[in-house]
Amino acid sequence: ETGVTQTPRHLVMGMTNKKSLKCEQHLGHNAMYWYKQSAKKPLELMFVYNFKEQTENNSVPSRFSPECPNSSHLFLHLHTLQPEDSALYLCASSQNEGNTEAFFGQGTRLTVV
Amino acid sequence: DAKTTQPNSMESNEEEPVHLPCNHSTISGTDYIHWYRQLPSQGPEYVIHGLTSNVNNRMASLAIAEDRKSSTLILHRATLRDAAVYYCILRGGWGNFNKFYFGSGTKLNVKP
Repeated sequence: ETGVTQTPRHLVMGMTNKKSLKCEQHLGHNAMYWYKQSAKKPLELMFVYNFKEQTENNSVPSRFSPECPNSSHLFLHLHTLQPEDSALYLCASSQNEGNTEAFFGQGTRLTVV
Repeated sequence: DAKTTQPNSMESNEEEPVHLPCNHSTISGTDYIHWYRQLPSQGPEYVIHGLTSNVNNRMASLAIAEDRKSSTLILHRATLRDAAVYYCILRGGWGNFNKFYFGSGTKLNVKP
């Protein structure tokens, strides 16, 4: 248990569906991150939020829409995804300093059919 | 973004020390060197981090070269549970903390 909880753990969705991934932390952290990990590839940083403000968007397609209503919760809204979007989506949180560790959730295994 | 270079894979015997190298020749003066590991079907887990001096904690030791262009993660006695992918990451200091990119990492196999 890392203190970062992701739900659901597994998700299968059709290309026309709309779904959301949820991440929650009660560690008092003010930065939260979304990563994508495709099979046998490194983690790709998608989005970063600091005090609810988006500070990083690494050219992620608009079919992925993040939302950070407060420092404890982070969502990733999904719509009209493609099969190549199937991957493990990981959430992390940390303080907004390089001298601190990040904590990762267990991830959501997403399959797009 | 400052990048790191690690061997794709390494192998170790159980209960022997393991030295995992990382090169980061373009490191800036404010970048921290972080190490994480990822066990199968899990999210990454923090191992250790440092800036200039060598660091020790209950999991591992981190040896940082004097010019900071390379570092080595040391597992003093490898166990089967240490089999994982180990990532060396440069994380920016104040104001640049969100530059938190993972490379390909080193897959460590531990033989009984």
